[in-house]
Amino acid sequence: DAKTTQPNSMESNEEEPVHLPCNHSTISGTDYIHWYRQLPSQGPEYVIHGLTSNVNNRMASLAIAEDRKSSTLILHRATLRDAAVYYCIQGTSYGKLTFGQGTILTVHP
Amino acid sequence: DTGVSQNPRHKITKRGQNVTFRCDPISEHNRLYWYRQTLGQGPEFLTYFQNEAQLEKSRLLSDRFSAERPKGSFSTLEIQRTEQGDSAMYLCASSFSVAGPSGNTIYFGEGSWLTVV
Repeated sequence: DAKTTQPNSMESNEEEPVHLPCNHSTISGTDYIHWYRQLPSQGPEYVIHGLTSNVNNRMASLAIAEDRKSSTLILHRATLRDAAVYYCIQGTSYGKLTFGQGTILTVHP
Repeated sequence: DTGVSQNPRHKITKRGQNVTFRCDPISEHNRLYWYRQTLGQGPEFLTYFQNEAQLEKSRLLSDRFSAERPKGSFSTLEIQRTEQGDSAMYLCASSFSVAGPSGNTIYFGEGSWLTVV
């Protein structure tokens, strides 16, 4: 299964932007990049996904490198509620998601 | 949209007992997935259904585990002769997908916690 590489942890201050990086060097042309986040004792929550071009939604923005070997999840103004584990997932086969360890995001007030 | 519903949310059982978890996916979602998550780890794929057909099973799904999705609606995950190593959160997810690209959004339930004592 395809693997992505993310930093184990990152920290941010409230109201500041957060850029969460992800490397997916083995990505194929039809693989999407998915981002999910998970709060303690809850199921993963969909954040955003994209294929080639940058994507925006109400939660975040996804910037995908031109060669598609890396991407960055952007939270424009971090809040305390954004503190979570963020998972970057490369592609899916029949919709299957292969989770890695994710990035633990800490947001300081 | 009521989301993906899982029951029970918490289950404590003695080693050797059987347990069953139920998942009700989002209405009209044709794909349903089961994952397992232990403390400090990301969710691990167990199996998935396209309508009522079970199309893929992980090696993690031993013979003691069985999943069904009769009529392509709700699903059950049964664990027979539970072991302490089965203690984990069992997550159900669903999506509406047609054959083709992998860009479908998958929605997760809140999970069912299993503790085997």
